[in-house]
Amino acid sequence: GAGVSQSPSNKVTEKGKDVELRCDPISGHTALYWYRQSLGQGLEFLIYFQGNSAPDKSGLPSDRFSAERTGGSVSTLTIQRTQQEDSAVYLCASSLDLRAMDTQYFGPGTRLTVL
Amino acid sequence: KQEVTQIPAALSVPEGENLVLNCSFTDSAIYNLQWFRQDPGKGLTSLLLIQSSQREQTSGRLNASLDKSSGRSTLYIAASQPSDSATYLCAVRVNAGNMLTFGGGTRLMVKP
Repeated sequence: GAGVSQSPSNKVTEKGKDVELRCDPISGHTALYWYRQSLGQGLEFLIYFQGNSAPDKSGLPSDRFSAERTGGSVSTLTIQRTQQEDSAVYLCASSLDLRAMDTQYFGPGTRLTVL
Repeated sequence: KQEVTQIPAALSVPEGENLVLNCSFTDSAIYNLQWFRQDPGKGLTSLLLIQSSQREQTSGRLNASLDKSSGRSTLYIAASQPSDSATYLCAVRVNAGNMLTFGGGTRLMVKP
């Protein structure tokens, strides 16, 4: 079956612009996660969604970052007024059920470059 | 705060060698530990998931062990092949949250 998909695969933007990154989780997966992978910081958690519950935003680095998940499926991560330090690979993952604490399946990521 | 460390950061071995990758974590209160593989420019592929009540998991040439009390896990790769070349990441799921906390990874190169 189809895995987690993300778009775009690459995004180059100018400092100060807003960007939107999209994640399509595996069909039927109720939990969705966003992570960021940068050279200096490794792989960091950003936010997760579980069903209709309020998301856990504890990993978002600043209020320029926000995410939403519509209809319990597709998610969009928005970065406003991008800065050069936002340059990283943004990875999305989904899992069948948060409470089951099972395997997270990752998408290929979106490589964001802020000039 | 949970911290995950992987040693070594990089490893180069000749084809056919058995090898061990190490992962340590500071807080033993974990739900599970997961090993991933990441190829250059690609996402993460899950290799093995060990629940906190388990001691080890095996898949083909891979064996992962977990010693929760000492905060350690090892990934054993038998008879390494050039196709095993990748970055290997371990991650723990903590009780206080549901996100994964990752180590910095071990970059493995298996030379033919």
